Amino acid sequence: AQSVTQLGSHVSVSEGALVLLRCNYSSSVPPYLFWYVQYPNQGLQLLLKYTSAATLVKGINGFEAEFKKSETSFHLTKPSAHMSDAAEYFCAVTHGGTSGSRLTFGEGTQLTVNP
Amino acid sequence: NAGVTQTPKFQVLKTGQSMTLQCAQDMNHNSMYWYRQDPGMGLRLIYYSASEGTTDKGEVPNGYNVSRLNKREFSLRLESAAPSQTSVYFCASSGGSDTQYFGPGTRLTVL
Repeated sequence: AQSVTQLGSHVSVSEGALVLLRCNYSSSVPPYLFWYVQYPNQGLQLLLKYTSAATLVKGINGFEAEFKKSETSFHLTKPSAHMSDAAEYFCAVTHGGTSGSRLTFGEGTQLTVNP
Repeated sequence: NAGVTQTPKFQVLKTGQSMTLQCAQDMNHNSMYWYRQDPGMGLRLIYYSASEGTTDKGEVPNGYNVSRLNKREFSLRLESAAPSQTSVYFCASSGGSDTQYFGPGTRLTVL
């Protein structure tokens, strides 16, 4: 079985400050890892994904994440927060296999950006 | 390309009523999924269809049925709605890249 833990259900930063959203995973096989963003009253949008290539993954809107196997982590960062980054962020891991890409999601982290 | 579309956007039901949530994708994806989102619980997989003609249970299938009507369409049916099924429902699809693309969601309230 695979699982994801997101540390901190709410994170608050000032505009221009570093954003760090934490994600730890558990997987018995090499994982594929994802970060999705959800803006209010919208569906989920892919930010970035790790699929066993480069361990530092760059995504949209200036976000990036680093896969650290030794720490079973895939934390999301952005050097300078913008007001438009306020949203809920979800980390997810695949079950893998051949019968579809079943995602297991973390509980989500609500990011607030203060002016 | 519309991507993944869902209907309706909002629905209010009374306990015991039935309804079907519709989902369609125009990306020629093989796999489609239904999730529910509840506060503090992330998204949980209800059912999925790895390819046309197949469906499988996910994490929380009780009280739901699905139909993969064709490659484009995947519907979710609540036969006898319960207040515990009040949630936001998302449909998603994926092709060969493991990335899932999500629809805008259906907000369902069961009174």
